[in-house]
Amino acid sequence: NAGVMQNPRHLVRRRGQEARLRCSPMKGHSHVYWYRQLPEEGLKFMVYLQKENIIDESGMPKERFSAEFPKEGPSILRIQQVVRGDSAAYFCASRGQGPSYGYTFGSGTRLTVV
Amino acid sequence: SQKIEQNSEALNIQEGKTATLTCNYTNYSPAYLQWYRQDPGRGPVFLLLIRENEKEKRKERLKVTFDTTLKQSLFHITASQPADSATYLCALELQTGANNLFFGTGTRLTVIP
Repeated sequence: NAGVMQNPRHLVRRRGQEARLRCSPMKGHSHVYWYRQLPEEGLKFMVYLQKENIIDESGMPKERFSAEFPKEGPSILRIQQVVRGDSAAYFCASRGQGPSYGYTFGSGTRLTVV
Repeated sequence: SQKIEQNSEALNIQEGKTATLTCNYTNYSPAYLQWYRQDPGRGPVFLLLIRENEKEKRKERLKVTFDTTLKQSLFHITASQPADSATYLCALELQTGANNLFFGTGTRLTVIP
């Protein structure tokens, strides 16, 4: 049983290009959380999605960032017109039922903007 | 302001000793506290969760304590091994909301053979 799957593992983009990060949650889960980890900083919440719904996007910058989780296929985090400050590791996670379960994270996508 | 502080950025200990990592927080009222392990280039891996009304929880060589009066959690690894070398993250979980998990910046543990 695969855990949370993210791709690509590494992504290099030039300033001004678009970055698309994909995430498939654990089997049987229909929700994902996206987190960003900047160098020397803790993980920060970005957005929580269920299939076809954005539940909470309070941590996501208002401009250039968007997320979706279609009925079929993975969740996509999209960053338009990337800037150097977007360079970070982006993780998605899902969680089992109930608070006794922690979050299961994917291996992340490391975005480098050159 | 809200803060989560983990005792030090890096901790070196000798193999076989007990490693103790500290997580202090201010201006949060967490319902749960979680600990994760993160290896370089990998995502965090969940280790333990402790509830606000629990004092201590154990799992194999791991022990976590949670003192809501002191606003502190201690994470212990007994009989440490070089394979325990990693960054350990504490995370506070609030009772409600999707944006309810807040992470510290981690402590990088190195166990020296």
